Amino acid sequence: AQSVTQPDIHITVSEGASLELRCNYSYGATPYLFWYVQSPGQGLQLLLKYFSGDTLVQGIKGFEAEFKRSQSSFNLRKPSVHWSDAAEYFCAVGALWEYGNKLVFGAGTILRVKS
Amino acid sequence: DSGVTQTPKHLITATGQRVTLRCSPRSGDLSVYWYQQSLDQGLQFLIQYYNGEERAKGNILERFSAQQFPDLHSELNLSSLELGDSALYFCASSVNRGFDTQYFGPGTRLTVL
Repeated sequence: AQSVTQPDIHITVSEGASLELRCNYSYGATPYLFWYVQSPGQGLQLLLKYFSGDTLVQGIKGFEAEFKRSQSSFNLRKPSVHWSDAAEYFCAVGALWEYGNKLVFGAGTILRVKS
Repeated sequence: DSGVTQTPKHLITATGQRVTLRCSPRSGDLSVYWYQQSLDQGLQFLIQYYNGEERAKGNILERFSAQQFPDLHSELNLSSLELGDSALYFCASSVNRGFDTQYFGPGTRLTVL
């Protein structure tokens, strides 16, 4: 069965410091991987996605993620965090399901930014 | 703004009642998905429709049903509501039936008292 693990429930970083959020997935076929961000009281905004090709993908707001098939990982990174990055981050894998598809989400990582 | 709209934004109702959540997908998108976000279950896939037809079903209770209309908007009907149905319900849309980027609406927060 498909699954996504985000091992860190909370992470706190100082403004200007680098960030890495971890994501491990389990999926039998070639994965379609996504990172979404949810600010308090808001919907889910797509940060970036990996379908194929270059394993380092660039997203919005200065985020990037690297797909490592050997480690079944898709970690999200940002070189310098801004206070506005404080939010909850969700990793997801796209999975074929019945005659369509679905997203399987991790439990999320709450990012706190301290000044 | 993703282009996906959901109404209402908030809904407060009592146990045993029935509610309808509405979603309008992005222009040109044929697939609509419904997800439930709760503190204990996280984000869970409920159901997918493509061009009016049900394509995939997830952890959707029998008390819940959905449909997609010819104009491609979708409604999620929740009946015999229980306290545990309180959650944030998201709609997402994508162009295709298969793997594609899903764009999420702002959600409807349902509170069952």
